Amino acid sequence: DAGVIQSPRHEVTEMGQEVTLRCKPISGHNSLFWYRQTMMRGLELLIYFNNNVPIDDSGMPEDRFSAKMPNASFSTLKIQPSEPRDSAVYFCASSPGTGGSNEKLFFGSGTQLSVL
Amino acid sequence: GQQVMQIPQYQHVQEGEDFTTYCNSSTTLSNIQWYKQRPGGHPVFLIQLVKSGEVKKQKRLTFQFGEAKKNSSLHITATQTTDVGTYFCAGSGSARQLTFGSGTQLTVLP
Repeated sequence: DAGVIQSPRHEVTEMGQEVTLRCKPISGHNSLFWYRQTMMRGLELLIYFNNNVPIDDSGMPEDRFSAKMPNASFSTLKIQPSEPRDSAVYFCASSPGTGGSNEKLFFGSGTQLSVL
Repeated sequence: GQQVMQIPQYQHVQEGEDFTTYCNSSTTLSNIQWYKQRPGGHPVFLIQLVKSGEVKKQKRLTFQFGEAKKNSSLHITATQTTDVGTYFCAGSGSARQLTFGSGTQLTVLP
């Protein structure tokens, strides 16, 4: 199994630019999560999907952030326009069931985003 | 909202010494999970505890869930350099989703 695949691994962009992060969950997993990790705030859940439908987006910081899951094997997290405070590691994770808290999360390798 | 506190934030130990990290919640948890993140890596699931007072072992690692289901601990016996990384607890109470603790960064000195 290839695991959760994220791209790009690293992204450096300038303030104001649009950034798109991509994720391919483990085949057969029904839930997909986007997390952000910073030194100050730790691991924060941004949004999660179940069967391609957004279930909880209460962690999305503001309207500049949007996420989509057009099919079971692909999701994007977009930031437009990006700001320096968005610099962080963004992780995608998937789980096999409905996304409940008792499910094991499988994390991708993350995207290190730097906004200059 | 639900908060999960983890202490200590950092721990340096000599190889062979024991290590313990503690996780405390402001609310009763339905379950708790532990993850390990190697430097530059991603969180990897270690274990889940569900029952009050539960104790589980994985080789040199011992995980405990408190009787009141508000705290948990991870103890590593005789640390090795391969144990280096950040250990996170993640719990769920009334919220449907896991709340991650701030993590304990373990350094093992050879």
